[in-house]
Amino acid sequence: RKEVEQDPGPFNVPEGATVAFNCTYSNSASQSFFWYRQDCRKEPKLLMSVYSSGNEDGRFTAQLNRASQYISLLIRDSKLSDSATYLCVVLNAGNNRKLIWGLGTSLGVNP
Amino acid sequence: DVKVTQSSRYLVKRTGEKVFLECVQDMDHENMFWYRQDPGLGLRLIYFSYDVKMKEKGDIPEGYSVSREKKERFSLILESASTNQTSMYLCASSLSLEQFFGPGTRLTVL
Repeated sequence: RKEVEQDPGPFNVPEGATVAFNCTYSNSASQSFFWYRQDCRKEPKLLMSVYSSGNEDGRFTAQLNRASQYISLLIRDSKLSDSATYLCVVLNAGNNRKLIWGLGTSLGVNP
Repeated sequence: DVKVTQSSRYLVKRTGEKVFLECVQDMDHENMFWYRQDPGLGLRLIYFSYDVKMKEKGDIPEGYSVSREKKERFSLILESASTNQTSMYLCASSLSLEQFFGPGTRLTVL
């Protein structure tokens, strides 16, 4: 089983739609969780960290479910500019500074 | 704004050549990383460094070495390039957990 698993998609949604991605992780001792965004032919950039209590940043909401070992990302009112690959990233519990990267979920938002 | 720069956006080399990929960050970050990214395999860590003159192997160090002589610069070296090292190479730096990436170098080995 991969340490971090994501549905690769692609998810194709119309503008204005709400879309959600899940990501599962295998190490129950994992400490920190993140969503990065990667545009086509660009480098990854941090979208948001995921806190135990859940957190929201504008149209984006991230949640953590430790019992089921998954994190989620919800995007409301999708914009064309949200089209990108969303990478789930987990901090390896065995090494405080090594990140484990998912393969990403591809999102296309259509007019 | 954190800036991470990489010496080349595109590079074409021949099998057996020695290849240097340079990465410079301007935010005084302690930690620097080299990844490669391939379709279907995602980001894989090659080497990382938490301090000057310090280096640690990542998940796929074979065929690569690194050098960190100054805090701001982390170099990736392919001693003898092979075709299976054709990839996108991404450098990153961090102060704590958030990693800031350079624009990447797309290396093609013929």
